[in-house]
Amino acid sequence: QKEVEQNSGPLSVPEGAIASLNCTYSDRGSQSFFWYRQYSGKSPELIMFIYSNGDKEDGRFTAQLNKASQYVSLLIRDSQPSDSATYLCAGGGGSEKLVFGKGTKLTVNP
Amino acid sequence: DAGITQSPRYKITETGRQVTLMCHQTWSHSYMFWYRQDLGHGLRLIYYSAAADITDKGEVPDGYVVSRSKTENFPLTLESATRSQTSVYFCASSEWDSPLHFGNGTRLTVT
Repeated sequence: QKEVEQNSGPLSVPEGAIASLNCTYSDRGSQSFFWYRQYSGKSPELIMFIYSNGDKEDGRFTAQLNKASQYVSLLIRDSQPSDSATYLCAGGGGSEKLVFGKGTKLTVNP
Repeated sequence: DAGITQSPRYKITETGRQVTLMCHQTWSHSYMFWYRQDLGHGLRLIYYSAAADITDKGEVPDGYVVSRSKTENFPLTLESATRSQTSVYFCASSEWDSPLHFGNGTRLTVT
């Protein structure tokens, strides 16, 4: 059974701080990793994707992948109250194999 | 507008009834997916399709039927609804090994 594990949280950070979200996966064959943000009552929306070891930055967001440790993370710099949401990590080796974690709820306090 | 549309947004049905959730995408994506999302379980894959007339089971397919006669449509049918199928259902589409794009979801309640 392929699994993606996330800290369930909730994670609470003050406005302006760095939020760090972590994810581990069981399938060493997984090649692609995605972070989705889901506001309450809404559908998941893509934040970042990463395929290669290392860091990938997009604005305030940085995704980090370490395939040897089977570890993926998402850093949110200068966290804003509008970042408060549940963050879903997903991994797979092609669209058919995408597996989602249960999500980490982030609250950014003004 | 291009995108992925689910209907209905909300549905209440009774145990034993058949209900169909609709999904339509305008991107011409090859892949389409149905997920259910429940507290404590996260997103779980029900069925997916790699192309028209090609479907395959996901993690939790029991009690569900899908079809894909056209690339743009991927309906999900609950043949005889049960209370355990009360959930939020998301349809998604993508190309091979590219991010999923989700519809707005259907909140289904089975009484």
